[in-house]
Amino acid sequence: GAGVSQTPSNKVTEKGKYVELRCDPISGHTALYWYRQSLGQGPEFLIYFQGTGAADDSGLPNDRFFAVRPEGSVSTLKIQRTERGDSAVYLCASSLTEGGYGYTFGSGTRLTVV
Amino acid sequence: RKEVEQDPGPFNVPEGATVAFNCTYSNSASQSFFWYRQDCRKEPKLLMSVYSSGNEDGRFTAQLNRASQYISLLIRDSKLSDSATYLCVVLPGGYNKLIFGAGTRLAVHP
Repeated sequence: GAGVSQTPSNKVTEKGKYVELRCDPISGHTALYWYRQSLGQGPEFLIYFQGTGAADDSGLPNDRFFAVRPEGSVSTLKIQRTERGDSAVYLCASSLTEGGYGYTFGSGTRLTVV
Repeated sequence: RKEVEQDPGPFNVPEGATVAFNCTYSNSASQSFFWYRQDCRKEPKLLMSVYSSGNEDGRFTAQLNRASQYISLLIRDSKLSDSATYLCVVLPGGYNKLIFGAGTRLAVHP
């Protein structure tokens, strides 16, 4: 596709449930990033993939969060035992190269944990 | 202390006004700098990169002061369509993750 696609656009889940958020990057972009944005805050880095491997997962808040990118394209962010504090917009971005340039963000998944 | 700090605003200005936003960053090894724009309930989009020599794109001018670890954005002749949140963004040296400030909200009124 022309842009970064994220599904679902909205997700409401009950506390304690498991959720998966999907990101389909721009074709050919080897770098993929997940960010989380809470209300009134800027996006906060979660994890960065270069190809299939997680090159930097230092932003994942705890072991309930996990992300994969098995074929170096689509990525899935997985959250176990969701908590109300996980409610946020989860943004995915991809870029052709490293170094901060050429980032394109998807429109995000708005996660609400009730 | 946050890595990137911005005045949250809001800045309420009339059309045609000139408005300036400032941002400070804490990591002196930061190597790349950007301003992003984010409309309400939308994703962030790159407005412009910021270079040490300063750079201009139409009504927008960005400046970087590495010694003071300070970045600025100047918007001249404000338009209603400039109403948005402006995010100051830094790439720390040796990393591939962007660090975002919390954003400065701009509201341009008729």
